[in-house]
Amino acid sequence: KQEVTQIPAALSVPEGENLVLNCSFTDSAIYNLQWFRQDPGKGLTSLLLIQSSQREQTSGRLNASLDKSSGRSTLYIAASQPGDSATYLCAVEGRHNFNKFYFGSGTKLNVKP
Amino acid sequence: NAGVTQTPKFQVLKTGQSMTLQCAQDMNHEYMSWYRQDPGMGLRLIHYSVGAGITDQGEVPNGYNVSRSTTEDFPLRLLSAAPSQTSVYFCASSNRGDYGYTFGSGTRLTVV
Repeated sequence: KQEVTQIPAALSVPEGENLVLNCSFTDSAIYNLQWFRQDPGKGLTSLLLIQSSQREQTSGRLNASLDKSSGRSTLYIAASQPGDSATYLCAVEGRHNFNKFYFGSGTKLNVKP
Repeated sequence: NAGVTQTPKFQVLKTGQSMTLQCAQDMNHEYMSWYRQDPGMGLRLIHYSVGAGITDQGEVPNGYNVSRSTTEDFPLRLLSAAPSQTSVYFCASSNRGDYGYTFGSGTRLTVV
């Protein structure tokens, strides 16, 4: 079974700082890796999707990378803002388990003004 | 487009009661899934469907039933609610994963 781990569990940074969130997975035979944002009491908003053939994806201040051989993905947030405060979730879809997403427990980010 | 719509948003059940959580999507997505989110455990897959008439079990299927009679709808049935089913339930859909998954806003269920 795929195990997905996110480190750190919580992170507090001052506004303007660049930061990196980490996601690791145990089975490198993945189809997709997707990063989500979840605000308190809300649903999941998709941030970036990286397909297994890709190494990175960028959207605005966000950049996600994927290294299948080492079983790792990172989400880089540039020039953080208080509005970035949320929980960030990493989810992996296996190549042999279509439509089954395995989620990490998330990193709770607090960006202080 | 409305995306993925879940109803109700909140529900309180007594132990032993049954109910159906509704999920509908208007994006003509083939794949639909149900997850539950519990503190410290992330999201776990309950059941999923790869098309109308096709369903399968996920990681934590016990106590839940699903059916997929149409492409748009994927209801989740709690047969006999238990306190262990207190959770937030999310429905998600995808068009084969090339564009990732879209999630509904969730149903917060409390079983007393």
